[in-house]
Amino acid sequence: EAGVTQSPRYAVLQEGQAVSFWCDPISGHDTLYWYQQPRDQGPQLLVYFRDEAVIDNSQLPSDRFSAVRPKGTNSTLKIQSAKQGDTATYLCASRTGGDTQYFGPGTRLLVL
Amino acid sequence: GDSVTQKQGQVTLSEDDFLFINCTYSTTTYPTLLWYVQYPGQGPQLLLKVTTANNKGISRGFEATYDKGTTSFHLQKASVQESDSAVYFCALVDPRYKVVFGSGTRLLVSP
Repeated sequence: EAGVTQSPRYAVLQEGQAVSFWCDPISGHDTLYWYQQPRDQGPQLLVYFRDEAVIDNSQLPSDRFSAVRPKGTNSTLKIQSAKQGDTATYLCASRTGGDTQYFGPGTRLLVL
Repeated sequence: GDSVTQKQGQVTLSEDDFLFINCTYSTTTYPTLLWYVQYPGQGPQLLLKVTTANNKGISRGFEATYDKGTTSFHLQKASVQESDSAVYFCALVDPRYKVVFGSGTRLLVSP
C-alpha cells in the first residue's frame, strides 16, 4: 500500500511569491491534516479535513493561506504572498478509524 | 489548551548507553499519548502509543509509561544503537483526534 505522497519536495521563493503544495493521502483515509514544521520544532497543525469538509482551520493564517480538498481525496495547500517567516517544512498526514496519523515526507519551503 | 513539553533539545550518547527522554503533558482530558520518530528528510513515524487502558507501550526496544499522577510520558531504551539517531517527538491526541506535538529531542548516538 502506497504511503502519503507530497509534491514538490522542495521549493525556494522570493518574498511575495505564491506557492502550492499537493498531498495524496493513503487510499481510503477520510481525514487529512496539514502541518507546518519550522526548523528544530515539532509539527504544528494548520488545518484538517474529514472528506471534503474543513473540520478545523483555526490555526491557518487565513489572509495568506488556503487549503482545499474538493473530492475528499487529494488536497492542496496554497500560500499567497509568502513571507520569510513561512520558511518551514509542510507536512501532510492522513488517518482513518483509529488515532494513528500517517505522515508524508513533507515539502521543504525556503522563502528568501 | 493542551500542551506537551520536552525540555531536552538534544541528547548525545554512545552505543549501548541507556536512553531517557523526558516528556510532560497538560490536558483536561485523558488523551492517548504517542512517541513519534523523525529521520532526516522524512515525516514523523509513529514509534509507540499508550492509552489510559494499557498505560505502557513497547516497540523496537523502546518503552514509555503513562503516569497520570506526574502527567509524564518518558521514553526509555536500555541500549541505544547508532541507527536510533533521529528526532523524537512526544505528542498527545485529543478527543477530536487532533495531535499536539512537543518540540522534539534530537538523539545523537556515536559508535
